[in-house]
Amino acid sequence: DAKTTQPNSMESNEEEPVHLPCNHSTISGTDYIHWYRQLPSQGPEYVIHGLTSNVNNRMASLAIAEDRKSSTLILHRATLRDAAVYYCILRGFRGGSTLGRLYFGRGTQLTVWP
Amino acid sequence: SAVISQKPSRDICQRGTSLTIQCQVDSQVTMMFWYRQQPGQSLTLIATANQGSEATYESGFVIDKFPISRPNLTFSTLTVSNMSPEDSSIYLCSVAGVEDTQYFGPGTRLTVL
Repeated sequence: DAKTTQPNSMESNEEEPVHLPCNHSTISGTDYIHWYRQLPSQGPEYVIHGLTSNVNNRMASLAIAEDRKSSTLILHRATLRDAAVYYCILRGFRGGSTLGRLYFGRGTQLTVWP
Repeated sequence: SAVISQKPSRDICQRGTSLTIQCQVDSQVTMMFWYRQQPGQSLTLIATANQGSEATYESGFVIDKFPISRPNLTFSTLTVSNMSPEDSSIYLCSVAGVEDTQYFGPGTRLTVL
């Protein structure tokens, strides 16, 4: 899977929007962009994923650049519960050999201040 | 979504011993995965466990050290064998969901003295 680059840490105030960036300049045309987050002392949880178009769900929005070399996870109103490590992961299906496997980078530690 | 439980939630073990971690899912799933998260680090995939076939290990992980069983579609075990302090980590299982998403268990925190 192609590599992603994320800032080590970011901070936000509660109830403010948060934009978490991810660079993936070597992304291939079949790579999906997945975001997971890991709350303290918990296993990771799925947040959102997309291929080309922007995506919205109840947790967040995913904005994908037109050239797909970068993406941004948007939390519209941060809460204290959103404090977590956020992972941006590319998922491809090259011959199915890596089907299902996730390769985590270091992620971005988000701190939310009250 | 799938609900995943792991046992034990944590354990403290002596070096040279082995610990078997259980992963139970509330629905039948084809693909299950085991990860390790060393202190202050990100997650590293250990192996993929599919029912009816041998586990597939990632580079750096071997079956003698981390034997895995997958007796049915809702259950798997990971054994950490001949433990050393370097094996102190959180071990997590996960299952594949729809559209290539994954659901993770709460993890097993292992400390080896």
